[in-house]
Amino acid sequence: QKEVEQDPGPLSVPEGAIVSLNCTYSNSAFQYFMWYRQYSRKGPELLMYTYSSGNKEDGRFTAQVDKSSKYISLFIRDSQPSDSATYLCAMSRTGNQFYFGTGTSLTVIP
Amino acid sequence: GAGVSQSPSNKVTEKGKDVELRCDPISGHTALYWYRQSLGQGLEFLIYFQGNSAPDKSGLPSDRFSAERTGGSVSTLTIQRTQQEDSAVYLCASSLAHGERAQYFGAGTRLSVL
Repeated sequence: QKEVEQDPGPLSVPEGAIVSLNCTYSNSAFQYFMWYRQYSRKGPELLMYTYSSGNKEDGRFTAQVDKSSKYISLFIRDSQPSDSATYLCAMSRTGNQFYFGTGTSLTVIP
Repeated sequence: GAGVSQSPSNKVTEKGKDVELRCDPISGHTALYWYRQSLGQGLEFLIYFQGNSAPDKSGLPSDRFSAERTGGSVSTLTIQRTQQEDSAVYLCASSLAHGERAQYFGAGTRLSVL
């Protein structure tokens, strides 16, 4: 079983829609959770970081962590064509070695 | 430099040849990470450096892979006797210190082994 599971998609939504991206994990010791955005032929860039459980909001992005269910989510409100990218979740037990999901490909259609 | 720089951006090589991939981290970043990203796979951790030391080499897939870092700056990932399964994008990231959550990634080196 992989440490982190993420549906690869692809996910296609109309502009303005709310997007929900999710990851599940198996290691209950994970306590650092991150979401990265990766445009084609580019390196990943950090979008959101959450420590332990709870919600975090930054502009149109909201990250949620449910440790009891071993489930994390990223919500994108009022999605824009510029949000079209691959979204990777990542998590860590100690803040040292990070385990990444396979990424979900998102296309926002104008 | 302004960001993490990796070279070459693309590398095509023949099976059995050795290749060297270079990473130039953000100035002042003491921690440096190498990852491998294969099609349909997540980022696979390979190795990290704190300064010039590599405390954790557990992610290197085989003894054909090695990495070094000099002067606390540039790092080189070397793959000897390349195999077709080594074909992937090799990503380098740096952070201010090890454990710092904000890792800044380069654009990667796309390696194709024929």
